[in-house]
Amino acid sequence: GAGVSQSPSNKVTEKGKDVELRCDPISGHTALYWYRQSLGQGLEFLIYFQGNSAPDKSGLPSDRFSAERTGGSVSTLTIQRTQQEDSAVYLCASSLNGGRAGFEQFFGPGTRLTVL
Amino acid sequence: KQEVTQIPAALSVPEGENLVLNCSFTDSAIYNLQWFRQDPGKGLTSLLLIQSSQREQTSGRLNASLDKSSGRSTLYIAASQPGDSATYLCAVNDYKLSFGAGTTVTVRA
Repeated sequence: GAGVSQSPSNKVTEKGKDVELRCDPISGHTALYWYRQSLGQGLEFLIYFQGNSAPDKSGLPSDRFSAERTGGSVSTLTIQRTQQEDSAVYLCASSLNGGRAGFEQFFGPGTRLTVL
Repeated sequence: KQEVTQIPAALSVPEGENLVLNCSFTDSAIYNLQWFRQDPGKGLTSLLLIQSSQREQTSGRLNASLDKSSGRSTLYIAASQPGDSATYLCAVNDYKLSFGAGTTVTVRA
């Protein structure tokens, strides 16, 4: 597609349930990022994938959060045993390359997660 | 840890006035800086990217400057229009983006 796409656009879940959020990056982009935007914390980095390298998970807030990227393209962010503080907009971005290349990051529309 | 600050937090101006949005950051070891626009309930739209080696970048009515040594960037929007009303975010890139809290701009018709 022309841009980064994310699904679902909205997700409402009950506390304690697991959720999966999906990101399709721009075709040909080797770097993929997940960020979270919440009222209290602003926009914060979660995880970064670059090609086939091990992901940088330094921004994940707890071990309930995990992400994978299959075939160097689509990525799934999984939140286990959701808590109310996980309610936020989860944004995915991709860039042509990552690391020290400093390429522009393009963002998807986000998934709004509400945990009841 | 990189800290990014945007001043002011909110700004209201009459149509036609020029806008000046400020961004400061604590660690000058960055690759580039991006300015984004965010409309309510929407994602981020990239406006300008300035590489660390550049001092300035222009796109239409938008001009962004970067002084890496002092840890500052400024976004200028000339001849503001009501359609410029949005939240503007700056983000510094040291492989991941660190964002400021944003400046919410209202342009009054």
